[in-house]
Amino acid sequence: EVQLLESGGGSMQPGGSLRLSCAASGFAFNNYAMSWVRQAPGKGLEWVSGISASGINRYYIQSVKGRFTISRDTSKNTVHLQMDSLRAEDTAIYYCAKDRTYDVTGSFDYWGQGTLVTVSS
Amino acid sequence: QSMLTQPPSASGTPGQRVTISCSGSGFNIGSNTVNWYQQLPGTAPKLLIYSNDQRPSGVPDRFSGSKSGTSASLAISGLQPEDESEYFCAAWDDRLNVVFGGGTKVTVL
Repeated sequence: EVQLLESGGGSMQPGGSLRLSCAASGFAFNNYAMSWVRQAPGKGLEWVSGISASGINRYYIQSVKGRFTISRDTSKNTVHLQMDSLRAEDTAIYYCAKDRTYDVTGSFDYWGQGTLVTVSS
Repeated sequence: QSMLTQPPSASGTPGQRVTISCSGSGFNIGSNTVNWYQQLPGTAPKLLIYSNDQRPSGVPDRFSGSKSGTSASLAISGLQPEDESEYFCAAWDDRLNVVFGGGTKVTVL
């Protein structure tokens, strides 16, 4: 059974940092791209960042470029999202999602339960 | 950041056919495949349709997808009360990101 378990969410003041983690199990982690998708309260889905299976290709939404860094640890089947210089508009539930292929395509067949990030002074 | 365009709401009575549109551009829908997600309140999204018209295992065949040019559609045939949910389209954008639609809330009257 495929499982994606996010952790690391919480409350932070503007300008602070958080590191989200997503522990994956039940599939060949090294063969699939992974992404982070967020959803602000009462709003729609917004893709934030993705990383290819090899870890070579990393993609970001414009508003987080230079602030967020995605990475993957193949020894622990885990994907991370380092979030620096947090802003109020980063407040959202952050979902970890598995892509159906080796590179990011937007076809996410499994999702975690989400972790809430709140940025407020 | 560009976003795909969906109608905010759609509705139908049980048994009816409901169609949701998703409009994009040559950078996304025009050159890549479209995926559809269903999100029930308080839960994570679920993949409903991938590669324009393919259903993952377990998705009822009353859900179908299509694409033409820079637009795509999700159809729900034989609408059921449990189909009341929010639906999102998504596609890879050649400007190196994934774009989602704003979401369509389907109400079963």
